[in-house]
Amino acid sequence: NAGVTQTPKFQVLKTGQSMTLQCAQDMNHNSMYWYRQDPGMGLRLIYYSASEGTTDKGEVPNGYNVSRLNKREFSLRLESAAPSQTSVYFCASMRGQGPQPQHFGDGTRLSIL
Amino acid sequence: DAKTTQPPSMDCAEGRAANLPCNHSTISGNEYVYWYRQIHSQGPQYIIHGLKNNETNEMASLIITEDRKSSTLILPHATLRDTAVYYCIVRVWDTPLVFGKGTRLSVIA
Repeated sequence: NAGVTQTPKFQVLKTGQSMTLQCAQDMNHNSMYWYRQDPGMGLRLIYYSASEGTTDKGEVPNGYNVSRLNKREFSLRLESAAPSQTSVYFCASMRGQGPQPQHFGDGTRLSIL
Repeated sequence: DAKTTQPPSMDCAEGRAANLPCNHSTISGNEYVYWYRQIHSQGPQYIIHGLKNNETNEMASLIITEDRKSSTLILPHATLRDTAVYYCIVRVWDTPLVFGKGTRLSVIA
């Protein structure tokens, strides 16, 4: 049982390039989330999807787009990467019924030069 | 903004109990208290959660005060592998997590 899988694990981009971060979960969870974590900081929510077919903005959505492709997959796209988007990106999922915990992936470390 | 206050850092001797405090004085009646930890740069790991009763699982115990304005996470026998940043989060169960800066716990041999 893989849980939450994120790809790629590492990526280096040049300013202005585009990139899609992939996330898939195999736990049949309804809700999925994208966070970013900057050095020495807690995680900040970028976007989330409470159920298949819905997406909502979080605390820091500017510069990002998301797609809930199906129940398993939730992708995060940077259309024109900026150095300020250098961060570690975490995807999470949650069953969405009752006070259940979120399960996190291992993160994607993204550097933008 | 996070709704909780935690000390920025704590030390604990290996084998002793680690008691991590959290203040959430503005918690509302339908908000749960959740604890996560993040070891090095890995993804956060769920530890435990509770509403008003004390809770225990294989990882830790959660003690919530009667007025629910504060709580304590207890790791009964801390090991070096428990060195991590611990996050206390209050939320209604169907809302996203909001992370603060947490407490950096260092377990010392």
